[in-house]
Amino acid sequence: GQNIDQPTEMTATEGAIVQINCTYQTSGFNGLFWYQQHAGEAPTFLSYNVLDGLEEKGRFSSFLSRSKGYSYLLLKELQMKDSASYLCAVRDRGNAGNMLTFGGGTRLMVKP
Amino acid sequence: EAGVAQSPRYKIIEKRQSVAFWCNPISGHATLYWYQQILGQGPKLLIQFQNNGVVDDSQLPKDRFSAERLKGVDSTLKIQPAKLEDSAVYLCASSFRRGTYNEQFFGPGTRLTVL
Repeated sequence: GQNIDQPTEMTATEGAIVQINCTYQTSGFNGLFWYQQHAGEAPTFLSYNVLDGLEEKGRFSSFLSRSKGYSYLLLKELQMKDSASYLCAVRDRGNAGNMLTFGGGTRLMVKP
Repeated sequence: EAGVAQSPRYKIIEKRQSVAFWCNPISGHATLYWYQQILGQGPKLLIQFQNNGVVDDSQLPKDRFSAERLKGVDSTLKIQPAKLEDSAVYLCASSFRRGTYNEQFFGPGTRLTVL
């Protein structure tokens, strides 16, 4: 099975940069996803990494190191609306259907 | 493009009662997923369908949970009888293809409270 760890909570200031880390253990890594989930709402897709390196998409970037079983999500120029939970999810080709396993999520609070 | 639809949005029942949730995926999406998300935790996959066939239901508590996807489109998830620990948000998601980079689109979820 998979083991996915991410911090439970983080706090940052509006306009700043924050990095949310995710570590995972899996035998047949086949991609890592980041989702954003506002309170009471459905998760929405942010990014996907399957090869090592940095993927940039506007204010959000995601990094992957497969050898270290490590990823981070970088949020720049933080806005109040970025207050949400950020979910790291790993796909393992060993599971039927390449199912996703989610971490517990990191609740980010952005303060003025 | 319409998103994933779910109903009801909220449900309150007493333990030992039965409940059913409905999901309509995005048109053309062959793969459908049901997740359980307990407060403060990440979603946990309960069952995955490819068209109308079950791909993975290893984490579905089959003594009380059942799911079906008739005709490979809509799906229902049923709990019978419900327990207190079933209180959670039940999320339905769909994706276009299985086995490739295929972003999952989530519905708004059904918040279940078991008293």
